[in-house]
Amino acid sequence: AQTVTQSQPEMSVQEAETVTLSCTYDTSENNYYLFWYKQPPSRQMILVIRQEAYKQQNATENRFSVNFQKAAKSFSLKISDSQLGDTAMYFCAFLQGGSEKLVFGKGTKLTVNP
Amino acid sequence: DGGITQSPKYLFRKEGQNVTLSCEQNLNHDAMYWYRQDPGQGLRLIYYSQIVNDFQKGDIAEGYSVSREKKESFPLTVTSAQKNPTAFYLCASSPSGLSGHYGYTFGSGTRLTVV
Repeated sequence: AQTVTQSQPEMSVQEAETVTLSCTYDTSENNYYLFWYKQPPSRQMILVIRQEAYKQQNATENRFSVNFQKAAKSFSLKISDSQLGDTAMYFCAFLQGGSEKLVFGKGTKLTVNP
Repeated sequence: DGGITQSPKYLFRKEGQNVTLSCEQNLNHDAMYWYRQDPGQGLRLIYYSQIVNDFQKGDIAEGYSVSREKKESFPLTVTSAQKNPTAFYLCASSPSGLSGHYGYTFGSGTRLTVV
């Protein structure tokens, strides 16, 4: 079974600075997809960014980018120019190609300080 | 606007009672999911359904039941057999097949508390 590990239960960053959240995963397959979800205090899950394993280019969405290292099975999220609204739980998730089941890590609580 | 509606937002259950959490979507998605969220545990899959009248157990199905009589609806019943039901419950949906690889759409959740 696939597993997703987020080794940082909590992190904090100053407003306008950059922070990187770590995620590693375990799979023996080559076809899969990786996601970062954000859960603010409202508890609504919001998709932040998505990466297809067969694409070498790292995905980017505005201030959010990933560092996808397929050989190392690592998928970190970089948040640039952190804003107070980025304060949230962040979940890394894995989806096996051909599967419908999204597997989540335990999350990292990020606090952006003014 | 298309989306997923979960109700109620807060639910209180007495010990020994069954309760049903509602999840409705108007996204025309084939697949629907129920996750349980506990502090420090992330999201754990309870049940999922890829098509009407069919569903599969997830990782923590004991004490829960579901039905999928309509494409739009996927209610979750928390039975008295679930020994620790206090948690936050999230419903999600996705298109089936390759379209589903763009991630899930989530509802806003139901907070269930045993009193």
